[in-house]
Amino acid sequence: AQRVTQPEKLLSVFKGAPVELKCNYSYSGSPELFWYVQYSRQRLQLLLRHISRESIKGFTADLNKGETSFHLKKPFAQEEDSAMYYCALSRRQAGTALIFGKGTTLSVSS
Amino acid sequence: AAGVIQSPRHLIKEKRETATLKCYPIPRHDTVYWYQQGPGQDPQFLISFYEKMQSDKGSIPDRFSAQQFSDYHSELNMSSLELGDSALYFCASRFRRQQGLGDNEQFFGPGTRLTVL
Repeated sequence: AQRVTQPEKLLSVFKGAPVELKCNYSYSGSPELFWYVQYSRQRLQLLLRHISRESIKGFTADLNKGETSFHLKKPFAQEEDSAMYYCALSRRQAGTALIFGKGTTLSVSS
Repeated sequence: AAGVIQSPRHLIKEKRETATLKCYPIPRHDTVYWYQQGPGQDPQFLISFYEKMQSDKGSIPDRFSAQQFSDYHSELNMSSLELGDSALYFCASRFRRQQGLGDNEQFFGPGTRLTVL
């Protein structure tokens, strides 16, 4: 079965601390993996996708097929990073829907 | 840049009533997705349309139906509403005809919050 697991419901860190939001997936095939972010009272926005291998707002995520993981990392958290983060996957096929994890709330305080 | 528009923003209905949610995709986007997010839950895929035809179906109840019109906007029709239908309903769109490997980004609307009393 296709599944995305985000084991932490809430992650609370101090400003400047490293952050790692965990994501594991279960999928028989080659999925596309994404991280979406939802800031307070705003819509879901794409943060990262594994295909592009880019760093956005200091965040990176590497797909580890052996561990079926796609953890989101940032070396130094900022207060403006506080938001809900969703890991999601879709089939490597145009037009397919996203399967979301349950999300992790990141809270960064000074 | 224009984003996905959803209407209404909030909707309050009573049990057994009907509701219609509307989604206006980003101009030139040809694919629309509907997701339901219950309180404290992750978004769950309901249904999607490509070029006005249903392209994929998720956990959409039989009481719900949806369609995509010639201008690519989509409507989600919900009948015999139940308390459990109270949720945030997201619409997302993408431009599928420009597909490529990794080009599966969906752009989300702000959502319609439906409350069933």
